[in-house]
Amino acid sequence: KQEVTQIPAALSVPEGENLVLNCSFTDSAIYNLQWFRQDPGKGLTSLLLIQSSQREQTSGRLNASLDKSSGRSTLYIAASQPGDSATYLCAAEPMNYGGATNKLIFGTGTLLAVQP
Amino acid sequence: GAVVSQHPSRVICKSGTSVKIECRSLDFQATTMFWYRQFPKKSLMLMATSNEGSKATYEQGVEKDKFLINHASLTLSTLTVTSAHPEDSSFYICSARDYLRGGETQYFGPGTRLLVL
Repeated sequence: KQEVTQIPAALSVPEGENLVLNCSFTDSAIYNLQWFRQDPGKGLTSLLLIQSSQREQTSGRLNASLDKSSGRSTLYIAASQPGDSATYLCAAEPMNYGGATNKLIFGTGTLLAVQP
Repeated sequence: GAVVSQHPSRVICKSGTSVKIECRSLDFQATTMFWYRQFPKKSLMLMATSNEGSKATYEQGVEKDKFLINHASLTLSTLTVTSAHPEDSSFYICSARDYLRGGETQYFGPGTRLLVL
C-alpha cells in the first residue's frame, strides 16, 4: 500500500530565501507525482506534475525533482515571497498494469510561512 | 487551466439531515470525477470515483449508503451525505481530469466545508 510522507510539517523562512520541501513515497511503482498548493480553507492548485519517466519539471521559481528508485521528490522554491505562504501537498498516483489509476495518494503537507 | 466549481462552499446542518454537494466542470466535460475528504490538519483521502452514467467506485472503508454519488451528466457530480452526524464534519473536495485537453493534471474544486451539529 502506497504511503506518502512530507517533511517538514511546517517551515518558516524569511523572504528571499531559497527552500526545499521533501516528499517520500513507499512504492516506486508510480504513474506520476504531483505537487499542489492549498491556501487556508481553499481547494488545491496544481503546481507541477512529473511523469514517472521524468526526473524534473520547472515552472517559474518552482522546480520539482523525482527519484523513483529512492522514493523521493523535492519541490524547490527560489527567492521565496510572502505570497508563497500556503500548504504544499505532494501526491503520488499509483500505477496499475503500467497505466494510470487516477487515484492520488496525498502526503500530509508542509505548511510554509514566508516572513516579509 | 480547466475550472471546477463546488456548491455550496460551506454548509451547517443538524444531525440526522442529508446534505447534497455539487461538483461541476465549467469548461470541459468530465466522464470521471473524484471525491476527497480532508480532516483538519490532515491530508486528503480519496472517497470514491464518480463515473458518468454508471455506479461510483468507493474506496475501502467508505460506506456507499452513507455517501451517495450521482454523476448524471458530463459536467455534474453530486455527493449526498445521508443522515449526517458530527463525525461527518469535514472538508469535501472534488476533482476532475480534462481528458480531451490532454495531460494528466487533476483540477480541484474549491471545496465544501460541512459542519454537522
